[in-house]
Amino acid sequence: EAAVTQSPRSKVAVTGGKVTLSCHQTNNHDYMYWYRQDTGHGLRLIHYSYVADSTEKGDIPDGYKASRPSQENFSLILELASLSQTAVYFCASSDLRDWGGYAEQFFGPGTRLTVL
Amino acid sequence: QQQVRQSPQSLTVWEGETAILNCSYENSAFDYFPWYQQFPGEGPALLIAIRSVSDKKEDGGFTIFFNKREKNLSLHIKDSQPGDSATYFCAASAGSGYNKLTFGKGTVLLVSP
Repeated sequence: EAAVTQSPRSKVAVTGGKVTLSCHQTNNHDYMYWYRQDTGHGLRLIHYSYVADSTEKGDIPDGYKASRPSQENFSLILELASLSQTAVYFCASSDLRDWGGYAEQFFGPGTRLTVL
Repeated sequence: QQQVRQSPQSLTVWEGETAILNCSYENSAFDYFPWYQQFPGEGPALLIAIRSVSDKKEDGGFTIFFNKREKNLSLHIKDSQPGDSATYFCAASAGSGYNKLTFGKGTVLLVSP
């Protein structure tokens, strides 16, 4: 069974502060992703990574940095948190090719971030 | 620009009925369409997926009907149960590689007993 864990599960941050969200996977997957979920917006891709020590920008990377120090760990960093970054953040992992070039993404339980 | 659209935003059906969730897309390059199911407080989980070479995919009580010409697809949940109450996301991907998914905004399904 795929396993993606996230910490913390919830966090309250102050505007302008630094926030780090962590993700750990035990699937031995190459790909990891960070999404944010807002009511009425579905999930939007922030950053992704296909190998340790390398990250790529997704669709909405502004205001976020990512770090992939190992295959298992992927962090999302908000250097200067803003009110607009209040959302639920999901981490996911996937294998590169599992079915004709497509692979299921396994999601973590999410981190609810509130910026005040 | 919303590349993947879902309708309705919310849907209520009675237990035992068939729930029909709709999805449409704009990008002709999309060729893989997974549906994810999300329960409150949890992350999404893959429910069923279809590739554009097929027009129908069944898995248990879940069926995807796909119309490539019209660029739309639908998820049919047969004999809906209260346990099927969840948010359903339609997603789309173009080509292989890093499996980038574009998600719709979701449909909230409530199955009333």
